[in-house]
Amino acid sequence: EIVMTQSPATLSVSPGERATLSCRASQSVSSNLAWYQQKPGQAPRLLIYGASTRATGIPARFSGSGSGTEFTLTISSLQSEDFAVYYCQQYNNWPPASTFGQGTKLEIK
Amino acid sequence: EVQLVESGGGLVQPGRSLRLSCAASGFTFDDYAMHWVRQAPGKGLEWVSGISWNSGSIGYADSVKGRFTISRDNAKNSLYLQMNSLRAEDTALYYCAKGTEGATYDYWGQGTLVTVSS
Repeated sequence: EIVMTQSPATLSVSPGERATLSCRASQSVSSNLAWYQQKPGQAPRLLIYGASTRATGIPARFSGSGSGTEFTLTISSLQSEDFAVYYCQQYNNWPPASTFGQGTKLEIK
Repeated sequence: EVQLVESGGGLVQPGRSLRLSCAASGFTFDDYAMHWVRQAPGKGLEWVSGISWNSGSIGYADSVKGRFTISRDNAKNSLYLQMNSLRAEDTALYYCAKGTEGATYDYWGQGTLVTVSS
């Protein structure tokens, strides 16, 4: 099983600043990497798939990069609504298989 | 509007069974793979199982393999998860999720809570 490790566990950033979240895979996942945002009491929301493609309706301040085993989610200028938990996910199409990282909590500094 | 509505959760004793359902609407159900993802209280996300549009390809997490069975009924726009031999560690909020690019999930239900306890 591919293990996904996110860092840091908690990130404290001020509104308007840039946030950089990391995700590492235990073996290469090519570009089969997605990022989700989850707010308390809500279902997750897809932000990025294919390592760098924004999902429909996702603001341009969210960007993803990386391939193989190292990935980054960058939020260029934090808005109040961006403070949440972020998960990375590696996926395989067929047969369906997927694992998530343990999450990074982005909190207001 | 895409809607996914899970049902069937509840309190169940260890070793017993439960069947979850997910009613889908607002999209062409039989065009998409579907998945179950769970989240234990206060914990992260765990993919549980996925099924292709025609049920021809199915996958399970190692933690549930041999105990859980995913299925779908395209005529009823419904997804199911049969959970047998339940354990305390299966306690979680179970989300139904619509597959999209690759095996990512663009729409999620609000979840149904499964509690395994004696």
